[in-house]
Amino acid sequence: DIQMTQSPSTLSASVGDRVTITCRASQSISSWLAWYQQKPGNAPKLLIYKASSLESGVPSRFSGSGSGTEFTLTISSLQPDDIATYSCQQYNTYPWTFGQGTKVEIQ
Amino acid sequence: QITLKESGPTLVKPTQTLTLTCTFSGFSLSSSGVAVGWIRQPPGKALEWLALIYWDDDKRYSPSLKTRLTITKDTSKNQVVLTMTNMDPVDTATYYCAHKKYYGSGSYPTPLDYWGQGTLVTVSS
Repeated sequence: DIQMTQSPSTLSASVGDRVTITCRASQSISSWLAWYQQKPGNAPKLLIYKASSLESGVPSRFSGSGSGTEFTLTISSLQPDDIATYSCQQYNTYPWTFGQGTKVEIQ
Repeated sequence: QITLKESGPTLVKPTQTLTLTCTFSGFSLSSSGVAVGWIRQPPGKALEWLALIYWDDDKRYSPSLKTRLTITKDTSKNQVVLTMTNMDPVDTATYYCAHKKYYGSGSYPTPLDYWGQGTLVTVSS
């Protein structure tokens, strides 16, 4: 199985800050990586697919980059509504695997 | 508009078999390229992909759970059913079903774009 490792596990930042979350794959997954946002009690919401493609309806302050084994999710200006846990997922190879999640908090 | 909703028991006993149903609307599981998957999330833990079924009945399973899982579809009812045998307390989790994103010619790998609300299943005697 391909292991997905996210860092940090928790992130505390101020409104307006630029926030970056990293996801590393244990082997190359090309660009077949997705990012999800999950608020407490809710299902995950797809934000980014194919490493950098923004899902329809997702605010443009969210962006993704990377390929191969290293990927990043960036929130250009953190908003109160962005408080959530963010998870990466590789869909290059079965079994699909997720990162352990990064919890984003407001400082 | 695509929607999915999970249904099934909220409490099962150890060793019992869990049967979950995903009822969806807004798409057809008989259309080329379409697929529905199941994912679970233990309380406070990470998401875990379980299984996926395609329009042509191709099925994919998590290797670690393959011997315990069966995924089937009923296109006439717009439903996908997941069964998991020999349930254990460690299987306590919220179980989600989700639609696999489809775009372009459908020849590219895609993630899950629409998710159900999830259903919490507790395994306890």
